Amino acid sequence: EDQVTQSPEALRLQEGESSSLNCSYTVSGLRGLFWYRQDPGKGPEFLFTLYSAGEEKEKERLKATLTKKESFLHITAPKPEDSATYLCAARGSGNTPLVFGKGTRLSVIA
Amino acid sequence: DTGVSQDPRHKITKRGQNVTFRCDPISEHNRLYWYRQTLGQGPEFLTYFQNEAQLEKSRLLSDRFSAERPKGSFSTLEIQRTEQGDSAMYLCASSPGDFYEQYFGPGTRLTVT
Repeated sequence: EDQVTQSPEALRLQEGESSSLNCSYTVSGLRGLFWYRQDPGKGPEFLFTLYSAGEEKEKERLKATLTKKESFLHITAPKPEDSATYLCAARGSGNTPLVFGKGTRLSVIA
Repeated sequence: DTGVSQDPRHKITKRGQNVTFRCDPISEHNRLYWYRQTLGQGPEFLTYFQNEAQLEKSRLLSDRFSAERPKGSFSTLEIQRTEQGDSAMYLCASSPGDFYEQYFGPGTRLTVT
Protein backbone atom coordinates (compact mmCIF):
# COMPACT_ATOMS: atom_id res chain seq x y z
CA GLU A 1 0.00 0.00 0.00
CA ASP A 2 1.30 3.47 -0.95
CA GLN A 3 2.35 5.58 2.04
CA VAL A 4 3.63 9.12 2.64
CA THR A 5 5.10 10.22 5.98
CA GLN A 6 6.00 13.80 6.79
CA SER A 7 8.25 15.09 9.57
CA PRO A 8 8.27 17.00 11.77
CA GLU A 9 4.54 17.34 12.51
CA ALA A 10 5.11 20.94 13.60
CA LEU A 11 8.03 23.34 13.26
CA ARG A 12 8.52 26.73 14.84
CA LEU A 13 11.17 29.01 13.34
CA GLN A 14 12.40 32.50 13.98
CA GLU A 15 12.19 34.81 10.99
CA GLY A 16 15.31 34.25 8.88
CA GLU A 17 16.06 30.82 10.39
CA SER A 18 16.37 28.37 7.48
CA SER A 19 15.23 24.75 7.81
CA SER A 20 13.98 21.70 5.89
CA LEU A 21 10.79 19.63 5.92
CA ASN A 22 10.97 15.92 5.17
CA CYS A 23 8.64 13.70 3.15
CA SER A 24 9.32 9.94 3.03
CA TYR A 25 7.34 7.96 0.50
CA THR A 26 6.70 4.32 -0.33
CA VAL A 27 4.93 3.97 -3.67
CA SER A 28 5.15 1.51 -6.51
CA GLY A 29 6.72 3.21 -9.52
CA LEU A 30 6.70 6.88 -8.54
CA ARG A 31 5.03 8.97 -11.24
CA GLY A 32 5.09 12.28 -9.38
CA LEU A 33 5.86 13.87 -6.00
CA PHE A 34 3.85 17.00 -5.23
CA TRP A 35 4.17 19.75 -2.63
CA TYR A 36 1.26 21.92 -1.54
CA ARG A 37 0.78 24.77 0.92
CA GLN A 38 -2.46 24.95 2.90
CA ASP A 39 -3.64 27.92 4.96
CA PRO A 40 -6.26 27.36 7.70
CA GLY A 41 -9.76 26.86 6.32
CA LYS A 42 -8.59 26.90 2.68
CA GLY A 43 -7.85 24.35 -0.02
CA PRO A 44 -4.27 23.24 -0.76
CA GLU A 45 -2.30 25.51 -3.07
CA PHE A 46 0.00 23.79 -5.56
CA LEU A 47 3.73 24.52 -5.18
CA PHE A 48 5.92 21.96 -7.00
CA THR A 49 5.95 18.72 -8.95
CA LEU A 50 9.04 16.49 -8.99
CA TYR A 51 9.22 13.47 -11.28
CA SER A 52 12.65 11.89 -10.92
CA ALA A 53 15.44 11.50 -8.35
CA GLY A 54 17.89 14.38 -8.45
CA GLU A 55 15.32 16.86 -9.68
CA GLU A 56 15.05 20.26 -7.93
CA LYS A 57 12.50 23.07 -8.21
CA GLU A 58 12.67 26.57 -6.68
CA LYS A 59 10.17 29.31 -5.99
CA GLU A 60 11.09 32.38 -3.95
CA ARG A 61 12.31 31.10 -0.54
CA LEU A 62 11.31 27.49 -1.22
CA LYS A 63 13.30 24.71 -2.87
CA ALA A 64 12.06 21.14 -3.31
CA THR A 65 14.40 18.19 -3.91
CA LEU A 66 13.78 14.50 -4.60
CA THR A 67 15.67 11.27 -3.92
CA LYS A 68 14.51 7.70 -4.49
CA LYS A 69 12.95 7.52 -1.01
CA GLU A 70 12.49 11.09 0.20
CA SER A 71 11.71 14.64 -0.75
CA PHE A 72 12.77 17.75 1.11
CA LEU A 73 11.27 21.21 1.14
CA HIS A 74 14.00 23.68 2.06
CA ILE A 75 12.90 27.07 3.36
CA THR A 76 15.55 29.78 3.22
CA ALA A 77 15.27 32.87 5.43
CA PRO A 78 11.55 32.35 6.11
CA LYS A 79 9.14 35.20 6.79
CA PRO A 80 5.98 35.16 8.93
CA GLU A 81 3.85 34.92 5.77
CA ASP A 82 5.40 31.50 5.09
CA SER A 83 3.48 30.16 8.11
CA ALA A 84 1.13 27.41 6.85
CA THR A 85 0.77 23.64 6.67
CA TYR A 86 2.92 22.09 3.96
CA LEU A 87 1.56 18.89 2.42
CA CYS A 88 3.46 16.29 0.43
CA ALA A 89 1.71 13.84 -1.90
CA ALA A 90 2.91 10.96 -4.07
CA ARG A 91 1.41 9.29 -7.11
CA GLY A 92 2.38 5.75 -8.04
CA SER A 93 1.96 3.97 -11.34
CA GLY A 94 -1.22 2.33 -12.55
CA ASN A 95 -4.58 3.45 -11.29
CA THR A 96 -3.49 4.35 -7.75
CA PRO A 97 -4.75 7.63 -6.32
CA LEU A 98 -2.66 10.54 -5.07
CA VAL A 99 -1.66 9.79 -1.47
CA PHE A 100 -1.07 12.67 0.95
CA GLY A 101 0.96 12.89 4.13
CA LYS A 102 -0.48 14.53 7.25
CA GLY A 103 1.51 17.69 6.66
CA THR A 104 4.00 19.83 8.59
CA ARG A 105 2.60 22.86 10.41
CA LEU A 106 5.14 25.65 10.04
CA SER A 107 5.08 28.74 12.24
CA VAL A 108 7.52 31.58 11.53
CA ILE A 109 7.85 34.07 14.35
CA ALA A 110 8.92 37.68 13.71
CA ASP B 1 -8.41 30.89 -15.61
CA THR B 2 -10.75 31.40 -12.68
CA GLY B 3 -9.60 28.39 -10.69
CA VAL B 4 -11.67 25.63 -9.10
CA SER B 5 -14.79 26.81 -7.31
CA GLN B 6 -16.97 25.01 -4.77
CA ASP B 7 -20.41 25.74 -3.40
CA PRO B 8 -21.46 26.09 -0.66
CA ARG B 9 -18.38 27.01 1.40
CA HIS B 10 -20.04 25.96 4.63
CA LYS B 11 -22.95 23.63 5.36
CA ILE B 12 -24.49 22.81 8.72
CA THR B 13 -27.02 20.00 8.69
CA LYS B 14 -28.79 17.71 11.12
CA ARG B 15 -28.00 14.04 11.29
CA GLY B 16 -30.11 12.07 8.83
CA GLN B 17 -30.51 14.88 6.29
CA ASN B 18 -29.19 14.75 2.73
CA VAL B 19 -26.66 17.29 1.45
CA THR B 20 -25.28 18.07 -2.01
CA PHE B 21 -22.08 19.92 -2.88
CA ARG B 22 -21.08 21.37 -6.23
CA CYS B 23 -17.65 21.72 -7.83
CA ASP B 24 -16.77 23.71 -10.97
CA PRO B 25 -13.33 22.70 -12.26
CA ILE B 26 -10.87 24.70 -14.35
CA SER B 27 -12.57 24.74 -17.73
CA GLU B 28 -10.00 22.87 -19.84
CA HIS B 29 -9.32 20.16 -17.23
CA ASN B 30 -10.79 16.75 -18.05
CA ARG B 31 -10.04 15.15 -14.66
CA LEU B 32 -11.98 16.00 -11.52
CA TYR B 33 -11.30 14.60 -8.05
CA TRP B 34 -13.12 14.61 -4.70
CA TYR B 35 -11.28 14.37 -1.38
CA ARG B 36 -12.23 14.51 2.29
CA GLN B 37 -10.01 16.16 4.90
CA THR B 38 -10.38 16.06 8.68
CA LEU B 39 -8.47 18.13 11.22
CA GLY B 40 -4.77 17.30 11.36
CA GLN B 41 -4.91 14.94 8.40
CA GLY B 42 -4.02 15.25 4.74
CA PRO B 43 -6.74 15.02 2.08
CA GLU B 44 -8.06 11.46 1.51
CA PHE B 45 -9.11 10.40 -1.98
CA LEU B 46 -12.80 9.64 -2.49
CA THR B 47 -13.42 9.40 -6.23
CA TYR B 48 -12.45 10.83 -9.61
CA PHE B 49 -13.87 11.45 -13.07
CA GLN B 50 -12.32 11.60 -16.49
CA ASN B 51 -14.75 13.74 -18.43
CA GLU B 52 -18.18 12.34 -17.46
CA ALA B 53 -16.95 8.83 -16.53
CA GLN B 54 -16.42 7.96 -12.88
CA LEU B 55 -13.30 5.77 -13.03
CA GLU B 56 -12.37 5.03 -9.44
CA LYS B 57 -14.01 5.04 -6.01
CA SER B 58 -12.26 4.68 -2.67
CA ARG B 59 -13.52 2.12 -0.19
CA LEU B 60 -14.03 5.18 2.07
CA LEU B 61 -16.98 6.05 -0.18
CA SER B 62 -19.92 4.26 1.43
CA ASP B 63 -23.22 3.60 -0.33
CA ARG B 64 -24.55 6.84 1.17
CA PHE B 65 -22.18 8.84 -1.05
CA SER B 66 -22.76 9.41 -4.74
CA ALA B 67 -21.01 11.64 -7.23
CA GLU B 68 -21.87 12.73 -10.73
CA ARG B 69 -20.30 14.78 -13.47
CA PRO B 70 -22.95 15.24 -16.17
CA LYS B 71 -21.55 16.34 -19.55
CA GLY B 72 -18.02 16.35 -18.14
CA SER B 73 -18.30 19.83 -16.70
CA PHE B 74 -19.28 20.55 -13.07
CA SER B 75 -19.61 17.75 -10.53
CA THR B 76 -21.88 17.12 -7.55
CA LEU B 77 -21.23 15.05 -4.45
CA GLU B 78 -24.30 13.93 -2.50
CA ILE B 79 -24.31 12.46 0.98
CA GLN B 80 -27.53 10.76 2.03
CA ARG B 81 -28.62 10.22 5.66
CA THR B 82 -25.68 12.20 7.04
CA GLU B 83 -23.90 10.97 10.16
CA GLN B 84 -21.73 12.93 12.61
CA GLY B 85 -18.69 11.12 11.24
CA ASP B 86 -19.30 12.80 7.88
CA SER B 87 -18.26 16.15 9.38
CA ALA B 88 -15.16 17.20 7.42
CA MET B 89 -13.85 19.50 4.71
CA TYR B 90 -14.80 18.21 1.26
CA LEU B 91 -12.28 19.26 -1.37
CA CYS B 92 -12.56 19.19 -5.13
CA ALA B 93 -9.55 19.30 -7.46
CA SER B 94 -9.03 19.23 -11.21
CA SER B 95 -6.11 18.45 -13.50
CA PRO B 96 -5.44 18.49 -17.25
CA GLY B 97 -4.63 14.76 -17.28
CA ASP B 98 -3.21 11.79 -15.44
CA PHE B 99 0.03 12.34 -13.42
CA TYR B 100 -0.30 16.14 -13.66
CA GLU B 101 -0.59 18.40 -10.64
CA GLN B 102 -4.07 18.83 -9.22
CA TYR B 103 -5.51 22.26 -8.47
CA PHE B 104 -7.80 22.44 -5.48
CA GLY B 105 -10.87 24.50 -4.74
CA PRO B 106 -11.51 26.27 -1.43
CA GLY B 107 -13.48 23.33 -0.03
CA THR B 108 -16.91 22.86 1.55
CA ARG B 109 -16.87 22.59 5.35
CA LEU B 110 -19.66 20.18 6.46
CA THR B 111 -20.82 20.09 10.06
CA VAL B 112 -23.36 17.41 11.02
CA THR B 113 -25.11 18.11 14.33
